[in-house]
Amino acid sequence: GENVEQHPSTLSVQEGDSAVIKCTYSDSASNYFPWYKQELGKRPQLIIDIRSNVGEKKDQRIAVTLNKTAKHFSLHITETQPEDSAVYFCAASPPDNYGQNFVFGPGTRLSVLP
Amino acid sequence: NAGVTQTPKFQVLKTGQSMTLQCAQDMNHNSMYWYRQDPGMGLRLIYYSASEGTTDKGEVPNGYNVSRLNKREFSLRLESAAPSQTSVYFCASSEGGRPQHFGDGTRLSIL
Repeated sequence: GENVEQHPSTLSVQEGDSAVIKCTYSDSASNYFPWYKQELGKRPQLIIDIRSNVGEKKDQRIAVTLNKTAKHFSLHITETQPEDSAVYFCAASPPDNYGQNFVFGPGTRLSVLP
Repeated sequence: NAGVTQTPKFQVLKTGQSMTLQCAQDMNHNSMYWYRQDPGMGLRLIYYSASEGTTDKGEVPNGYNVSRLNKREFSLRLESAAPSQTSVYFCASSEGGRPQHFGDGTRLSIL
């Protein structure tokens, strides 16, 4: 089955700097790669996703890039703000679109220092 | 439009007690999920339901049972609680097999 790794496990940046979180996946058939943000004590929220037929997707200060050959994808946050502090989870989904096979990474705790 | 609603929000049990965690969604989604979240372990799937009347085991199903009562509701039951089941439990829903909307979670402590 699919295995998703995520690095780094913790990341601290100064406010205004950029942050990059990288995930690798094992199943070359996976075709959907979302990112979730979970603030302390809150629910996970889907913030951006990318499909395998797209190399990059942007939404304001966040962007996700995908390298299918290397089987990795990354979340980029520019001009970080204190409210970006949270745990970020990547995930990978196979083309069967069956929830049993949807796999999360272990998470990255991002701290934005004022 | 409440989204995904979980009850209770907090619960303390003694080892061996049973309880049911409730989850309901009002988005007419077919798929529903139960995850547990432990420190440093991310979100691990306990059970998945692709539609009313179907359920499948996830990564960590031992010690749990589920019921997809109807399209809206998906409950998780602990028959004999164990300290290893102390965790935060999240219910989620989606139209397909990719979780989109999560509930606020149930924080469960088993003594």
